[in-house]
Amino acid sequence: NAGVTQTPKFQVLKTGQSMTLQCAQDMNHNSMYWYRQDPGMGLRLIYYSASEGTTDKGEVPNGYNVSRLNKREFSLRLESAAPSQTSVYFCASSAGDGRSYNEQFFGPGTRLTVL
Amino acid sequence: AQRVTQPEKLLSVFKGAPVELKCNYSYSGSPELFWYVQYSRQRLQLLLRHISRESIKGFTADLNKGETSFHLKKPFAQEEDSAMYYCALMGGGSYIPTFGRGTSLIVHP
Repeated sequence: NAGVTQTPKFQVLKTGQSMTLQCAQDMNHNSMYWYRQDPGMGLRLIYYSASEGTTDKGEVPNGYNVSRLNKREFSLRLESAAPSQTSVYFCASSAGDGRSYNEQFFGPGTRLTVL
Repeated sequence: AQRVTQPEKLLSVFKGAPVELKCNYSYSGSPELFWYVQYSRQRLQLLLRHISRESIKGFTADLNKGETSFHLKKPFAQEEDSAMYYCALMGGGSYIPTFGRGTSLIVHP
């Protein structure tokens, strides 16, 4: 099992460009998440999807959109990148069985730089 | 609202010294608490959770409801323990974890 995979690993954008970060999991998990990690700020939730077909905003959703394409895949889109979006982005998944507080499984991260 | 505080951004110790990474939380109910670790160039992974009451890689953490704390401890630090550590809380029927801001542990030889 690959667990949670993310593409690309690195990306450099110019201000105003758009891009989509891809995430997939092969653990048959219901819930998926997107976080950004910034020095001194820890992990901040951008969007999450509790189950296939649903998405909800997290703590810092502005400037981002998401799509839960199917149970396996959860993509994050930056429509018009800004330097403030320079960060490391992590996708995560959890069983989300609604019966217990499940651990999260994380992808390897995408390091994004916006010039 | 639930909140997790890790008061130290950086903790620097020498090999063989005891380590305590602090985590305090604010939550009115019965929380479920986790410690995640991120080694250099690796993904975040679960280190331990309070309900399992395990010792992982020599680390332990005890939930102290009176002090609302879940500090991570290890009696003798090793260089390979150098990493970023995050405390996280879940509770109240919400399956969205609240993470602290993380503590970077550096263990010097």
